[in-house]
Amino acid sequence: KQEVTQIPAALSVPEGENLVLNCSFTDSAIYNLQWFRQDPGKGLTSLLLIQSSQREQTSGRLNASLDKSSGRSTLYIAASQPGDSATYLCASGGGFGNEKLTFGTGTRLTIIP
Amino acid sequence: EPEVTQTPSHQVTQMGQEVILRCVPISNHLYFYWYRQILGQKVEFLVSFYNNEISEKSEIFDDQFSVERPDGSNFTLKIRSTKLEDSAMYFCASSVDLGRGEQYFGPGTRLTVT
Repeated sequence: KQEVTQIPAALSVPEGENLVLNCSFTDSAIYNLQWFRQDPGKGLTSLLLIQSSQREQTSGRLNASLDKSSGRSTLYIAASQPGDSATYLCASGGGFGNEKLTFGTGTRLTIIP
Repeated sequence: EPEVTQTPSHQVTQMGQEVILRCVPISNHLYFYWYRQILGQKVEFLVSFYNNEISEKSEIFDDQFSVERPDGSNFTLKIRSTKLEDSAMYFCASSVDLGRGEQYFGPGTRLTVT
């Protein structure tokens, strides 16, 4: 059974700093890895999707990497802004016949102005 | 930009009552999902739906739950007899196909069972 872990559970950094969020998964036979942002009491906004054949994906100030062999993914946020404050979730997708996403517990990020 | 919509945003019901949560997936998507998030806990998969039938379900998705695509646009989750522990945020998601994989989530329905 896939287990997804995100450490730390909470992170506070001053505005302008670059930061890295971590995600680890126990079963490396994943099809893809998706990063989401969740604001308090709100839905999930998809940030980046990395297919299993890819090593990284970039969108603006965000860069996500995937290392299947070590069971890890990271989300790099450059030049953090107060508006980046949210909970960031990673989720692994099992692929054909097992397309559900398995979520981590998230990292609650606070950017200090 | 196309988005998944869900209604209602908040539903309060009494224990034992039936509730129907509604979702309108993105129009060209073929795969539909329900997830739930109990307050303070992980987002959990409930069920996936393709070609008018369930393709996968979790152990949470017992006989009290059912899903339906009653027409070409709506996708519903029914809970027959709600329990206190069904109180959660319920998210609908859709994806264009398995190959693309990216799932797009709706804003959620907060279900409160009293």
